[in-house]
Parts: sequence; C-alpha cells; structure tokens
Amino acid sequence: DADVTQTPRNRITKTGKRIMLECSQTKGHDRMYWYRQDPGLGLRLIYYSFDVKDINKGEISDGYSVSRQAQAKFSLSLESAIPNQTALYFCATSDRMNTDTQYFGPGTRLTVL
Amino acid sequence: GESVGLHLPTLSVQEGDNSIINCAYSNSASDYFIWYKQESGKGPQFIIDIRSNMDKRQGQRVTVLLNKTVKHLSLQIAATQPGDSAVYFCAENISGYSTLTFGKGTMLLVSP
Repeated sequence: DADVTQTPRNRITKTGKRIMLECSQTKGHDRMYWYRQDPGLGLRLIYYSFDVKDINKGEISDGYSVSRQAQAKFSLSLESAIPNQTALYFCATSDRMNTDTQYFGPGTRLTVL
Repeated sequence: GESVGLHLPTLSVQEGDNSIINCAYSNSASDYFIWYKQESGKGPQFIIDIRSNMDKRQGQRVTVLLNKTVKHLSLQIAATQPGDSAVYFCAENISGYSTLTFGKGTMLLVSP
C-alpha cells in the first residue's frame, strides 16, 4: 500500500549495531503499529501507538524501542541488534473510526549477522 | 493462551477451481475478523472482514463465512486465478482490546 511507506526496504547489519526503521503514512490515521514476521510464526506485535503522546508495548517489545515523532511517522529502533532479530518488519496503520482494520506497509527485511 | 490458528498450511488448486481457506479461533469474545492476503515481497493486504453479528459476507469473488458455534472462519475464493497465489492470514479482534491477533497463514498455490 503506497499510503504506508517503510525505509529502508532491506538492511544488513552486524550484532551490536543500532538500527532504526522508519514508517510514514499519508492515510491520516491516528494509530500505528510495528510487527515482526518470522516463518511459521505469523505476525507478532512489537509496539503500537494511538496518537503522538501514546506508546504501548506489544507481545514482543524486549530489545526494541519506538518513537512517534508526528501523527504520520512512527520509527522502530533496535538499540543493540542481535541475530535473532533477523526478520521481516511491518508497519501498519488504522483509523480511529474503524480501529480494527489495519493497513500495512511493504515491509523491511532486516538481517543481523 | 488463546490464539488464532489455521487448519492447512498449504493449499494447491487448479486455475478456475473454487478455494476454501479455513481458520479456527478459540476466544469466544472475538467480535471482528479480517482476512489478509500477502504476496511474496509485499505487506499484507486487506481482503474482507466480518463482524460477529454476521454469518456471511461477500466481496468480489470472495466470501467469508463465520460459524460462531464451532469458532470457525473460512475464506472462499471463486474461480481462483494464478494471481490469487499468496499467503492468506486470518486475524481476530477480541472485544475490548485494541489490537489484532494474527494466524500463522496458509499458502495458496494456483496452477494454470
């Protein structure tokens, strides 16, 4: 969905490095989410935010942090990357008037060596 | 804990056949369900949704059926096309919660 963009699309890094993944949206949605996807495990929620001043931990927040810089931007950081954080990362958004339907970005493939 | 699951990890069909992808859920408080399609290299795309006060909802070539008695959800794709090849996820929202829980996905393979 071109309305939700993620950068970078691919990243290879080394253990111990700090990494930031960025998400931007033009849908005007209030709510934003970060997920990781691993083979056989489906999508798991890392963090979510309902507005600029709101940050909530998801199912697997350990080792990650987020920043909601503006309504349209939500970034995910790995302070010290480790190999088991190798995964596909997706950002999603939803509208307060229809909060259950989430729209996803194209994903970032992160490899930690 | 309770979570969304899928019966079949891979479904292979011929072009033109109808496809049925199944999903079981265990939380009786779930009141909203979504089907997503994920093509290779892309993010999940919304296909169709259904609320728990409905049994059936139809879209273009797709139908979702909800059986609350047995906690079962299915996605039917009519006249399956090669472009339908993808991984399909169901997701549920539990009443009172603000997040979705996703199933692990079923791979649909369509042969010409």
